[in-house]
Amino acid sequence: EVQLVESGGTLVQPGGSLTLSCVASGFTFGTYWMTWVRQAPGKGLEWVASINDDGDEKFYVDSVKGRFTISRDNTEDTMFLHMDRLRAEDTAVYYCERHVMRSRSLGDWGQGTLVTVSS
Amino acid sequence: EIVMTQSPATLSVSPGERATLSCRASQSVGRNLAWYQQKPGQAPRLLIYDASTRATGVPAIFSGSGSGTEFTLTITTLQSEDFALYYCQQGDRWPWTFGQGTKVEIK
Repeated sequence: EVQLVESGGTLVQPGGSLTLSCVASGFTFGTYWMTWVRQAPGKGLEWVASINDDGDEKFYVDSVKGRFTISRDNTEDTMFLHMDRLRAEDTAVYYCERHVMRSRSLGDWGQGTLVTVSS
Repeated sequence: EIVMTQSPATLSVSPGERATLSCRASQSVGRNLAWYQQKPGQAPRLLIYDASTRATGVPAIFSGSGSGTEFTLTITTLQSEDFALYYCQQGDRWPWTFGQGTKVEIK
């Protein structure tokens, strides 16, 4: 069974930093693209960043470029999202997803972790 | 960025009836279009990918169609568990973008 478990979400002050983790199990992690999607309270879904299977291709939404870094450790079956210079508008539940193989869609989702940026 | 527009924003349907949801892309996305269902307090769930392929375990009451800029998700014979929020998502070009969602509610 595929499992994706996010952690690291917490309350952080504006301008602060935070790293989210997503631990994967039930599949061969190093063969899948992975993605982070976020959802602000009461709002819709927003794609944040994606990383290819071996970690050398990364893509970001413009609003986080230069502030967020997606990475992965295929030896630990874990993906990360390091977030710097956090803003109030980054407040959201952050979900980790596994792509559908050979498709540009998100097949499996974690339960999400809440990041709150507030003073 | 490709803008995804879903209509209607809210769809009121009686149980047992059919629901038709639309998603329009601001430019062609080929067939790189997915549909997700989200219930309150839960993570989204993939229903349809590549415009018309049902994800594993998704019942046949869900079907997707379309290509280019116009897409449709059809839910035949709505059951109580199908009342939820539905999002479309394009994966043709970065940044990937989602529609704003269609809420399917009980009439």
